[in-house]
Amino acid sequence: GAVVSQHPSWVICKSGTSVKIECRSLDFQATTMFWYRQFPKQSLMLMATSNEGSKATYEQGVEKDKFLINHASLTLSTLTVTSAHPEDSSFYICSARGRNTIYFGEGSWLTVV
Amino acid sequence: AQSVTQPDIHITVSEGASLELRCNYSYGATPYLFWYVQSPGQGLQLLLKYFSGDTLVQGIKGFEAEFKRSQSSFNLRKPSVHWSDAAEYFCAVASGDNYGQNFVFGPGTRLSVLP
Repeated sequence: GAVVSQHPSWVICKSGTSVKIECRSLDFQATTMFWYRQFPKQSLMLMATSNEGSKATYEQGVEKDKFLINHASLTLSTLTVTSAHPEDSSFYICSARGRNTIYFGEGSWLTVV
Repeated sequence: AQSVTQPDIHITVSEGASLELRCNYSYGATPYLFWYVQSPGQGLQLLLKYFSGDTLVQGIKGFEAEFKRSQSSFNLRKPSVHWSDAAEYFCAVASGDNYGQNFVFGPGTRLSVLP
């Protein structure tokens, strides 16, 4: 079964609102989690590294004020897309490092209308 | 910085035929190498990984991959493809102990399986 869980799997929000996506490691502690974005028919692009108890590290070109990341516990990281716009519609995937490998969540589809 | 190429964007094979998906990487030291599979609209599932040791790695679902340092390759193979193998396949490379942060994906290869 899944060792990294994301919620929600699908979300539709209105333009200008904020939406939160959760990423949980189910049976291991993850001091570091990662957030990716994937556009249709493209590969995954790392957005940011989420560090438990400290600020996230963002990749170049990713707006940290728009994509808020919080890693409040060893099993939970959240990504909040603030003031969402239609161009933020995408597939967001998280991953966590554990047991000598990287486990990915099931992904979350965000549609901004 | 490391990089990954997957020369084949789309491959079509007949069910029961053998499969090889190519992956080439660029990295100065010994990399950590991964193959993931993604079904439409879903997350990524780890097929196999190479960290060290035996260069022929066995994975789930009958897949295997061989690390060839001289060719900077980590090709994925399966002797007999099943219709359920149709999906997108991503090769990835990471480096060092902080391999999560330095995780780089290839562009992916889409596999179609003919009945």
